[in-house]
Amino acid sequence: EAQVTQNPRYLITVTGKKLTVTCSQNMNHEYMSWYRQDPGLGLRQIYYSMNVEVTDKGDVPEGYKVSRKEKRNFPLILESPSPNQTSLYFCASISLAGGLLTGELFFGEGSRLTVL
Amino acid sequence: KNQVEQSPQSLIILEGKNCTLQCNYTVSPFSNLRWYKQDTGRGPVSLTIMTFSENTKSNGRYTATLDADTKQSSLHITASQLSDSASYICVVRGGGTSYGKLTFGQGTILTVHP
Repeated sequence: EAQVTQNPRYLITVTGKKLTVTCSQNMNHEYMSWYRQDPGLGLRQIYYSMNVEVTDKGDVPEGYKVSRKEKRNFPLILESPSPNQTSLYFCASISLAGGLLTGELFFGEGSRLTVL
Repeated sequence: KNQVEQSPQSLIILEGKNCTLQCNYTVSPFSNLRWYKQDTGRGPVSLTIMTFSENTKSNGRYTATLDADTKQSSLHITASQLSDSASYICVVRGGGTSYGKLTFGQGTILTVHP
């Protein structure tokens, strides 16, 4: 079954304690990205990756890091989480067939993060 | 700044009625526009995609339109069902040097009452 898997689904942590949210897709997609969703603001792109070792900033990259060492994995790293990073996070992937991003974006189930 | 504005913010309709959701965008250059449905607590799922040359596309009870000249899209839902209650998100993909970036609308929260 084609899917994007995020872990953990729920996490409560404290300010300054480094954490990583993992994302893995089994569809051999080149493009992967991370979003955060906050009430009244909708989904905002944090980082995206067009392929292995290729990453770029989205609209709200501050406070986050990503890496793309393998095609299937795209972890989101919060080096020193702060309360304003409390949010619902989604990972997504899409095929770059023919070099065109016309396919459907497949989303994970979301990771709800609370930073105290 | 590239933006995507959706209206209304929220909508309540009775089961069986039709409704239309709007999406206006300023993203340029434009590549394509997708409508997604997001159930509460779940990830968004694609309903339909509109490219520059397409005006209308249907997917069951969902019909999307695109006017690339005025930079407007709409999603029309026919004969609504209780399961249509969700957030509907318009997502625009830019072209050129912004090819990898997506701009999301804030979403329209649709509630269908029996």
